[in-house]
Amino acid sequence: SQQGEEDPQALSIQEGENATMNCSYKTSINNLQWYRQNSGRGLVHLILIRSNEREKHSGRLRVTLDTSKKSSSLLITASRAADTASYFCALGPGGYQKVTFGTGTKLQVIP
Amino acid sequence: GAVVSQHPSWVICKSGTSVKIECRSLDFQATTMFWYRQFPKQSLMLMATSNEGSKATYEQGVEKDKFLINHASLTLSTLTVTSAHPEDSSFYICSAPRGGRGGEQYFGPGTRLTVT
Repeated sequence: SQQGEEDPQALSIQEGENATMNCSYKTSINNLQWYRQNSGRGLVHLILIRSNEREKHSGRLRVTLDTSKKSSSLLITASRAADTASYFCALGPGGYQKVTFGTGTKLQVIP
Repeated sequence: GAVVSQHPSWVICKSGTSVKIECRSLDFQATTMFWYRQFPKQSLMLMATSNEGSKATYEQGVEKDKFLINHASLTLSTLTVTSAHPEDSSFYICSAPRGGRGGEQYFGPGTRLTVT
C-alpha cells in the first residue's frame, strides 16, 4: 500500500508564525486525514478532507487538497508553543479499510 | 473524551515473556480495529487488521505467530506479543474506524513496551 511523503521532515518556527506542511501521494484516495502526535503519545485526529473537497478549515487549521497533483497541505496559522508536535497525513481509501500514514513532519514552535 | 482506550499505557517485561495489550472502543462498536507499531522518530507502520469474528489480517513481514491478535467482541481487540525480545520494544497503537464512508480513525493513546 502507498505511503504519503511529507515535506518538510522537520520545521522550526517562531510563535505567531504560520506553519505549512505538505503531503504527496501516488494513487487515488477516498479521503486524506491529518493527525497530530505529541511526543510519546497517541494520535489526535485533526481534519479529514474528502477527495471531492478542495479546502477545509478548522479553527487555526486550513487543509487543501489537489487531487490532480496528488498533494495536500496543512497550514497552521498563528502558531503556538503548544502546537509543537509531529504531524502526519494519512491516506484513506474509505469505509473500514486501513489508513496508511505518511512519513511525518516534526514541528517545533519556539516561544 | 477518549473514544478508544488502551491498556496498559506502558509495560516493562523480561525477554522471553509474553505481553497482552488491550484496545477498547468506548462508545461505539468496532468490527474492525487496526494495530500499528511505531519505532522512535518514525511513522506508524500497520501491523495487522483485527476482525471481529474472524482471523486477523497481517501485513507483509509481520509474524502472525509472534503477534497474536484476538478480536473478542465488538468493543475489544487484544494484541499479545509472545516470547518478547528487546527488538520488540516499541510504541504500539490501535485504532478503530468510527464508521461511515470516510474511514476516519480514532486512535488509542498507545502502549509503550520495553523488553529488557
